[in-house]
Amino acid sequence: DAKTTQPTSMDCAEGRAANLPCNHSTISGNEYVYWYRQIHSQGPQYIIHGLKNNETNEMASLIITEDRKSSTLILPHATLRDTAVYYCIVRVIGDMRFGAGTRLTVKP
Amino acid sequence: GAVVSQHPSWVICKSGTSVKIECRSLDFQATTMFWYRQFPKQSLMLMATSNEGSKATYEQGVEKDKFLINHASLTLSTLTVTSAHPEDSSFYICSGGKGPLGSSYEQYFGPGTRLTVT
Repeated sequence: DAKTTQPTSMDCAEGRAANLPCNHSTISGNEYVYWYRQIHSQGPQYIIHGLKNNETNEMASLIITEDRKSSTLILPHATLRDTAVYYCIVRVIGDMRFGAGTRLTVKP
Repeated sequence: GAVVSQHPSWVICKSGTSVKIECRSLDFQATTMFWYRQFPKQSLMLMATSNEGSKATYEQGVEKDKFLINHASLTLSTLTVTSAHPEDSSFYICSGGKGPLGSSYEQYFGPGTRLTVT
């Protein structure tokens, strides 16, 4: 499986866009990029996933570079409730394996 | 999204006893279910993968005789921690896979069960 690298922590001001980067330079052609988040003491929440095209849903946007070696999760208008650990996962088969993730803190 | 429930949400048991945790996919049929364990301030670690009607596949280092997994139907999986010890105290999270592998595959997680062994 491709290894992912994420910053340990990030801060974002409430109401601003939160841009969370993820490097996955060894990604293979059939691996998807998934993003999940975990709010303290809860199960992970699915956010979005993509293969090569940019994706958008009601929660976030996923921007994948043309060479697919990195991606960015964008929360367009961060709120205090978006404070969580965000995980970028690259997988081709079903089981999600979690790295350390990025701890995003949204500040008032 | 889809909903996965777990029961109980928390449990305290005495050392040497067994504890069963249930995981249900409420509004979809989970072709595969997964069990994770999370220690404080650490990430989730995959313990095992199970398909309905089949034996679970355990990750390296996870004792299959200690962590019994039963996947009786497409909506129910159970994890039994046998002869629990204090070091088994952890946050146990299950998830269900929805859809065929590929662009439409999504994996949904339960809220977790906090186990404390005294």
